[in-house]
This record gives sequence, structure tokens and C-alpha cells, in this order.
Amino acid sequence: DTAVSQTPKYLVTQMGNDKSIKCEQNLGHDTMYWYKQDSKKFLKIMFSYNNKELIINETVPNRFSPKSPDKAHLNLHINSLELGDSAVYFCASSHPDEQFFGPGTRLTVL
Amino acid sequence: SQKIEQNSEALNIQEGKTATLTCNYTNYSPAYLQWYRQDPGRGPVFLLLIRENEKEKRKERLKVTFDTTLKQSLFHITASQPADSATYLCALAKGGSQGNLIFGKGTKLSVKP
Repeated sequence: DTAVSQTPKYLVTQMGNDKSIKCEQNLGHDTMYWYKQDSKKFLKIMFSYNNKELIINETVPNRFSPKSPDKAHLNLHINSLELGDSAVYFCASSHPDEQFFGPGTRLTVL
Repeated sequence: SQKIEQNSEALNIQEGKTATLTCNYTNYSPAYLQWYRQDPGRGPVFLLLIRENEKEKRKERLKVTFDTTLKQSLFHITASQPADSATYLCALAKGGSQGNLIFGKGTKLSVKP
């Protein structure tokens, strides 16, 4: 029944590790997004895919790589994690303008 | 540079009163503006969208206005209830790519019984 789901909900890891966050939507939307919400609650777009194609790529370090195997999934892989990557990461989908957000993944880098 | 400001970080009001939240922007000409609600530990939830050629939009107890001359949107909750307590985010369409939203930092609304 869940519209946009993310796994895991919590992720605690050491600096330098590589981790992935998965996102799936069952709404049939063509466009999916990744957002980062930092400790000051500021929500900022990172990437957007439309039908598996990258359409928005904000100034995000190359260590972040989104992958969309099909239009229902958009995963986020992060290499060489740094302390500043600690945040809540939200996946979202839209059709056309209203965005539906997932529950978020809280990433803590130690 | 482009900027969005939600003037109050926090707003406390009494139950039954009207809450009015403000969103101002500079250096934009957004095609539309949206308002979202975010509860602690959850993702934002879409509330309303208003386009540049619309002055006002309503949905139940919610009302949004959009003044492109003042570069301002007002978000009203009438007959507020404690259950309306949450953080409210405004978001502007940046233009260009579909769905490229710029979010304000939010206003945390507390409605006291």
C-alpha cells in the first residue's frame, strides 16, 4: 500500500565506507528525486530522473551516484562517506508537479 | 542569487485562530509555488499548488495566495487545531527541468489548545 518506500530507515556507518539507499514507488510516476535534509532541516534537491534518465543534477560531489534500473526505482550510492554526509535523505516521485516523499533514511557517519 | 525566505522559524497560536505563514522570494520568476507539511521524523506531504497566473487557492481550511509583484505567498490555516502543529515548507519551481523545487527552511507551527 506504501506509495514511496525507502530502505533502510536508519544507516550508521564509519567514515570512508560505501553505502546504498534504495527507493521504490508504486504510483506509476515517471519522475523520481533524491533530496538531502541537513541538521538545520534545510531540504535540498540532489538528483532527478525522468523515465530512467537523469534530468537534474545539482552540485553534488561525485561520490554520490544515483542509479535508476527502471522507472519505479531510484537508488543512491555513496562512496567514501564523510562526516558532512550525515543527514536525512528523502526519495520522492511526482506526476506531474505534486511530489510524494518517502519516509526518509537517516544516515549517520561516525 | 536566488533566495527563498520563510520569515518565521516558529509560530505559536491559540486553537481556533487563523495561522498565517509567509514565504518571500527574490530573483525568481517561478511558474508555480507549493506548500508542504512535514511532521517530525516523516517526509514532507504536499498540501497545495498555486500557479503564477492564480491569485488564490483553497482546500478545506487551507488558503494560499500568490503575489508575483510582491514576490510573496501567504499560507493560511483557518480554525486551527492542535493537529495542525507541524513544520510547513514552501517550495518554488526553479524553472527549466520539471520538478526542480527550491524549498524554504520552513515555519514550525504550534497550535495550543
